[in-house]
Amino acid sequence: SQQGEEDPQALSIQEGENATMNCSYKTSINNLQWYRQNSGRGLVHLILIRSNEREKHSGRLRVTLDTSKKSSSLLITASRAADTASYFCATPSGSARQLTFGSGTQLTVLP
Amino acid sequence: EAGVVQSPRYKIIEKKQPVAFWCNPISGHNTLYWYRQNLGQGPELLIRYENEEAVDDSQLPKDRFSAERLKGVDSTLKIQPAELGDSAVYLCASSLGLAGPYEQYFGPGTRLTVT
Repeated sequence: SQQGEEDPQALSIQEGENATMNCSYKTSINNLQWYRQNSGRGLVHLILIRSNEREKHSGRLRVTLDTSKKSSSLLITASRAADTASYFCATPSGSARQLTFGSGTQLTVLP
Repeated sequence: EAGVVQSPRYKIIEKKQPVAFWCNPISGHNTLYWYRQNLGQGPELLIRYENEEAVDDSQLPKDRFSAERLKGVDSTLKIQPAELGDSAVYLCASSLGLAGPYEQYFGPGTRLTVT
């Protein structure tokens, strides 16, 4: 079963706009990670946010974490066509040394 | 630094045939993962190795799937016999260290089609 679920399932925006995708999870966690997957490629780690952090930035990425609502959001500012990909949130499970991935948000950035 | 290497990239086989996937993780990474990813879904863990020990294989269909990680480096995932429902992308990932949280580095995957 999937721990994290992303919303929306698909998002289409124009280049230069901001893209926001959300992740909800079910059980308490000590960190949450976001990954990107370009078509036909493996996943690439974007950012990790710990449970004692509320917000984290990396370049054009901004991640928030609300542990009281068990949710996280990923904001991509000034989007580019190259940002077109699927974005997954991942939360620790089992022994906390493995990750459970959501079903992803498919982002399309139109030039 | 070389990334996670997987081969083959694509494989088409008929049902009931065997198939094997190979993974070479990033040098020095103790933990290795095999995932299966169905179309439109996120990866689902099949098995996790810490060095050469399989520490979580609860999601591995053991009647037809097997895996090994010789000398705690390369790993092979095998399916015998393959079924139509095994069509998916099989991803290998590795991470540094045995204590989390660590980011995982993924290979490009093997796209398996069973006809």
